[in-house]
Amino acid sequence: DSGVTQTPKHLITATGQRVTLRCSPRSGDLSVYWYQQSLDQGLQFLIQYYNGEERAKGNILERFSAQQFPDLHSELNLSSLELGDSALYFCASSSGVEETQYFGPGTRLLVL
Amino acid sequence: AQSVAQPEDQVNVAEGNPLTVKCTYSVSGNPYLFWYVQYPNRGLQFLLKYITGDNLVKGSYGFEAEFNKSQTSFHLKKPSALVSDSALYFCAVRGYYTGRRALTFGSGTRLQVQP
Repeated sequence: DSGVTQTPKHLITATGQRVTLRCSPRSGDLSVYWYQQSLDQGLQFLIQYYNGEERAKGNILERFSAQQFPDLHSELNLSSLELGDSALYFCASSSGVEETQYFGPGTRLLVL
Repeated sequence: AQSVAQPEDQVNVAEGNPLTVKCTYSVSGNPYLFWYVQYPNRGLQFLLKYITGDNLVKGSYGFEAEFNKSQTSFHLKKPSALVSDSALYFCAVRGYYTGRRALTFGSGTRLQVQP
């Protein structure tokens, strides 16, 4: 158990809908990262937050957004969902001092 | 831009034999290198990392990796494979001097250990 929690584990929704994925980092970790794992694109970095502020953006679509709250948990919002958004979404956290990122179990999103 | 190549989609090895999973990288400056393992329907588990220092890094579950700067490689090794090592392995990199701390992952290598 990495100490990173993600909810829900599974999500099934329809095209055009909006969903929110939630992540709680390890105790004390200030950085949260979101990654997407899909069969065709592999593991891709989406976005990073550090202590409530956006730090870096990767291949994140404009339909996707995220935020990190004062208690350091983070949410990834996916809107106007398309079939191609079906993927496993991972959250990872790190302390910012130690470089290791610890991953949560992921949320599997299926868009029908 | 940084990148990682895992040239083998799958590696097959018999239980008890040594295993190697290959990884080469490209990054500006000195690299931070990582290996993660993913079991079915699970998240990525951290195995080991190279930041600086000794080129041979030891990690969890008996795995080790050798950093080779001249060949820009970071191959994962284990002296004696177990059936339970069968999983998907990912190599990842980030640049030491870049402000971006996000990892760039390879495409993954599926390790199959036969009894």
